[in-house]
Amino acid sequence: AQTVTQSQPEMSVQEAETVTLSCTYDTSESDYYLFWYKQPPSRQMILVIRQEAYKQQNATENRFSVNFQKAAKSFSLKISDSQLGDAAMYFCAYRSRGGTSYGKLTFGQGTILTVHP
Amino acid sequence: EAEVAQSPRYKITEKSQAVAFWCDPISGHATLYWYRQILGQGPELLVQFQDESVVDDSQLPKDRFSAERLKGVDSTLKIQPAELGDSAMYLCASSPVGGIGQFFGPGTRLTVL
Repeated sequence: AQTVTQSQPEMSVQEAETVTLSCTYDTSESDYYLFWYKQPPSRQMILVIRQEAYKQQNATENRFSVNFQKAAKSFSLKISDSQLGDAAMYFCAYRSRGGTSYGKLTFGQGTILTVHP
Repeated sequence: EAEVAQSPRYKITEKSQAVAFWCDPISGHATLYWYRQILGQGPELLVQFQDESVVDDSQLPKDRFSAERLKGVDSTLKIQPAELGDSAMYLCASSPVGGIGQFFGPGTRLTVL
């Protein structure tokens, strides 16, 4: 079974600064997807960014980028030019590309991000 | 923009009572998921449907939980009887066939007293 670990329960950043959230995972599979989801307080979870394991290039979405280290099973999220609206719980998630657990997301414990003005 | 709908948003019940949650996925999404999120933790999959068929319910406590998606569209998750440990957020998500990401609804927050 796959596991996802987020070792930072809480992080904080000043507005306009950069912050990096960490995630490690454990799997015996070679092909999979990794995601970062954002869950603002009392609001629904939304997808921030995703990475296909077969792609060596790190994914980027505007101010959000990832550092995907497949051999190390590490998948960190960098938020540049942090904004007040980035404050939320962030979840790292894993999804198999095939097999019996196809489609299922396995989540980490989450990191609460606070953005200070 | 199409969204996953869930109701109710909040539910307070006493232990041993029955509760039911409803989810309407984005139109055309064949795959529907129910997750349970305990406060301060990440969501965990309870059940996954492909159209009207269950494809994964390995983590569903079947002695008290049931889920159905009779016409392959909307879905109901039921708990009977509710226990104190069932207090959590229940999230519904959907994805299209071949889709990679999942779209989440706002969730139902259940409090069992």
